[in-house]
Amino acid sequence: DTGVSQNPRHKITKRGQNVTFRCDPISEHNRLYWYRQTLGQGPEFLTYFQNEAQLEKSRLLSDRFSAERPKGSFSTLEIQRTEQGDSAMYLCASSLGGTGAFTEAFFGQGTRLTVV
Amino acid sequence: EDKVVQSPLSLVVHEGDTVTLNCSYEVTNFRSLLWYKQEKKAPTFLFMLTSSGIEKKSGRLSSILDKKELFSILNITATQTGDSAVYLCAVLNYGGSQGNLIFGKGTKLSVKP
Repeated sequence: DTGVSQNPRHKITKRGQNVTFRCDPISEHNRLYWYRQTLGQGPEFLTYFQNEAQLEKSRLLSDRFSAERPKGSFSTLEIQRTEQGDSAMYLCASSLGGTGAFTEAFFGQGTRLTVV
Repeated sequence: EDKVVQSPLSLVVHEGDTVTLNCSYEVTNFRSLLWYKQEKKAPTFLFMLTSSGIEKKSGRLSSILDKKELFSILNITATQTGDSAVYLCAVLNYGGSQGNLIFGKGTKLSVKP
């Protein structure tokens, strides 16, 4: 499978616990995005990387959220001390881009987080 | 603040109807506008528009961008029940941080048999 892969697909956790999600982008893609989506809403931007550099973080991203892309390949998104309001679908997307050309972004299947 | 606004938020039509979905935007350093279709899973890519006035077409779907008036439309002709989905519009900007992809809330299309 050469698409964007996210793990796990579903996660149920108790409030206050930490969770970590993983995203494996399409192999040649240098840009990687994280979004959060709740029912009836479009994807809300969280952060994105160009290679290993985290270029932008949304103001929505509180200090409980952290993302890494250590070698410019896969990325992890960690949420510490989860709250019920964190329950959402977390989507990862990847694309090619940089100075000059950008391609369309392709999405993974998402990780659905439920905080109980 | 950059924003993308889609209208209508929801739409119910019957099979065979033609629909037009709208997307307007206000972003700094506009680069491209993208349309996605989302069923009960991840968004799937439909079109990427960079130049004004050039229609992109794929089967019964077509889209065009107006960079002067800052909007795009997505047309679906002869709708089918399989077209039922949320259609998302996103804008890629190209600022100092080299590009971000900002989504609208989507238009939920329901096609009745």
